[in-house]
Amino acid sequence: VVLTQSPGTLSLSPGERATLSCRASRSVTTYLAWYQQTPGQVPRLLIYGASSRATGIPDRFSGGGSGTDFTLTIDRLEPGDFAVYYCQTYHSSPITFGQGTRLEFK
Amino acid sequence: EVQLLESGGGLVQSGGSLRLACVASGFTFSRSAMNWVRQAPGKGLEWVSGISGSGTTTFYSDSVKGRFTISRDNAKNTLYLQMDSLRAEDTAIYYCAQDRAVVTPVWFDSWGQGTLVTVSS
Repeated sequence: VVLTQSPGTLSLSPGERATLSCRASRSVTTYLAWYQQTPGQVPRLLIYGASSRATGIPDRFSGGGSGTDFTLTIDRLEPGDFAVYYCQTYHSSPITFGQGTRLEFK
Repeated sequence: EVQLLESGGGLVQSGGSLRLACVASGFTFSRSAMNWVRQAPGKGLEWVSGISGSGTTTFYSDSVKGRFTISRDNAKNTLYLQMDSLRAEDTAIYYCAQDRAVVTPVWFDSWGQGTLVTVSS
């Protein structure tokens, strides 16, 4: 399954809402996860099952969608949210990641 | 607290071999599938291989199938990746990642700090 993320780069300001998209080449039902990677850090799990937040993830982060179209929404952006975000599907082997969306300061 | 500590990375010539290791602590190792995920310099994430908690089932990406071998020693809480016939395009940071599932890899709850593999051509 090929995952295509858009936009490639998203420029926003703290306090704004970010909406990131992930589109699958065929249906993955809700077998989709999202990760955040800040510069120099390892990836961190945000969302699994398309919409379930991982332990310790604030409710400003929400995931939605099913089938082929998914979104990650981040409300009230904080400085630590500016990072690269990846979607990942585990619907079938091999596991695949999207190419990433970079969220940067406007 | 889950801790994953990778080792074994380094500089190797094209065609050579390396063996990576990941020592795990803070959870029941045999009850978690485990994975290797890599990231080439300045690039995105690429899943490489996964293994069930018992070690009896393994999974590989097409890019490494036949060249890399994943294994684990549950008595030592250690995950391995034997990398043979290395190519320049295998140059990356290799992360060890704990899976939520026991058998078939799903998503990755925890990640190690990574170990850098550089393949010179």
